[in-house]
Amino acid sequence: AQKVTQAQTEISVVEKEDVTLDCVYETRDTTYYLFWYKQPPSGELVFLIRRNSFDEQNEISGRYSWNFQKSTSSFNFTITASQVVDSAVYFCALSEVETGGFKTIFGAGTRLFVKA
Amino acid sequence: DSGVTQTPKHLITATGQRVTLRCSPRSGDLSVYWYQQSLDQGLQFLIQYYNGEERAKGNILERFSAQQFPDLHSELNLSSLELGDSALYFCASSVTFRVGSNEQFFGPGTRLTVL
Repeated sequence: AQKVTQAQTEISVVEKEDVTLDCVYETRDTTYYLFWYKQPPSGELVFLIRRNSFDEQNEISGRYSWNFQKSTSSFNFTITASQVVDSAVYFCALSEVETGGFKTIFGAGTRLFVKA
Repeated sequence: DSGVTQTPKHLITATGQRVTLRCSPRSGDLSVYWYQQSLDQGLQFLIQYYNGEERAKGNILERFSAQQFPDLHSELNLSSLELGDSALYFCASSVTFRVGSNEQFFGPGTRLTVL
């Protein structure tokens, strides 16, 4: 069965600190997709990154970076030099192929507080 | 602005009632997904439609149903409402049904309160 675990419920950091959000997933499929989404206090869900199971390259986008390791079934997200605007709930998600479509499972989310 | 619209923004109703939530996908997107976000259940995938056809089903209750119309907008119908159905309901769209090859763009959500 598919499962996404975000063990960190809440993280609090001071501005300019680096912070890593952990995501561990379970799947029996060989083809799957992993995502990170951000949900700021305003409530909308903002797509951050997609990674497919065949692409283990790490990615950096500005202050954001992602580390995908199939050996440990982890897809961790690091924010470098955090800012107050990074305060949000961050969700990791896993999509698997289902007949004719895709089924997406979200983790419980990690609430990040960045203090000035 | 993701380009996905959802109406209404807020909905307050009573137990036992039936409501319809509406979603218009981004222009050109053929696939629509529905999600429920509640405090106790988190973000849960409900159902996916692609070009009018149901493609994937998640934890959708039998009291809930959805459809996608020829103009590609979608409606989520919730009936015999219970207090526990109070939640934020999101709609998302993507170009194809292969969510992994296209990211999902989320609408602003409809907040349903059942009293």
